[in-house]
Amino acid sequence: GEDVEQSLFLSVREGDSSVINCTYTDSSSTYLYWYKQEPGAGLQLLTYIFSNMDMKQDQRLTVLLNKKDKHLSLRIADTQTGDSAIYFCAGAAGNKLTFGGGTRVLVKP
Amino acid sequence: KAGVTQTPRYLIKTRGQQVTLSCSPISGHRSVSWYQQTPGQGLQFLFEYFSETQRNKGNFPGRFSGRQFSNSRSEMNVSTLELGDSALYLCASSYTTGEHEQYFGPGTRLTVT
Repeated sequence: GEDVEQSLFLSVREGDSSVINCTYTDSSSTYLYWYKQEPGAGLQLLTYIFSNMDMKQDQRLTVLLNKKDKHLSLRIADTQTGDSAIYFCAGAAGNKLTFGGGTRVLVKP
Repeated sequence: KAGVTQTPRYLIKTRGQQVTLSCSPISGHRSVSWYQQTPGQGLQFLFEYFSETQRNKGNFPGRFSGRQFSNSRSEMNVSTLELGDSALYLCASSYTTGEHEQYFGPGTRLTVT
C-alpha cells in the first residue's frame, strides 16, 4: 500500500517562507493533498494538486509535485504565527486518504 | 453552509464497554469516511460509507463497525473497548465517493480507562 513520509519538525521566522516536504511510494493517487491541524482541532483542507500538474499556486501557498522522484512540497510564503500547526500530506485511493506522519511547524516572532 | 459535525466531542469509557460516535456531513455530501488518529500510529483510515453502503475498509478488527443512514449521517461503533482504542476519531465528508475534496469534522476524543 501507499507509504507517505514527512520530516517531523520545521522552525521558521515570521515573515520567512516555509517549505514542507513529503515523499510517497504509490504513484497511482489522482490527487495529492495538504491538510493543516491546529491543537485540539480536526483537519483543515489547505490545497490539493492533480497528479498531472507540476505546480499549483493558491494565494500564499505553492504546491510542487515531482512525479519522477515522488516528491511533494508545500511552500508557505510570508509565514505568520497563525501558520503554526501540524501539516499533513496525503495521497488518495478512492476516498481512502493515506497520510504522512505530519510536520510540526513552529513560527517564531 | 454548516461544516461537518461530530458528537460527542469528548468521551470517557471503561475497558470492555462499547461506544457509538456520530457524524453529520456537510449538507449535500453523501460520502462519509472515518479515521483514527493516535500519537503512535498517526492517521489511519477506518472505513467509508456512501449511499448507506460501506465502500472501503481499513485494516481494523471487526470490533470497529459503522453504518450510514438515508440522510447521509453516519455512526461508528467500537465494541469491547481496549486501552489502545483511546484516540481522536475524525469524520470526513465529501460530495461523492472517489477522489474528491474531503472536509473533516473537529473529531471525537475517546479516552478508554
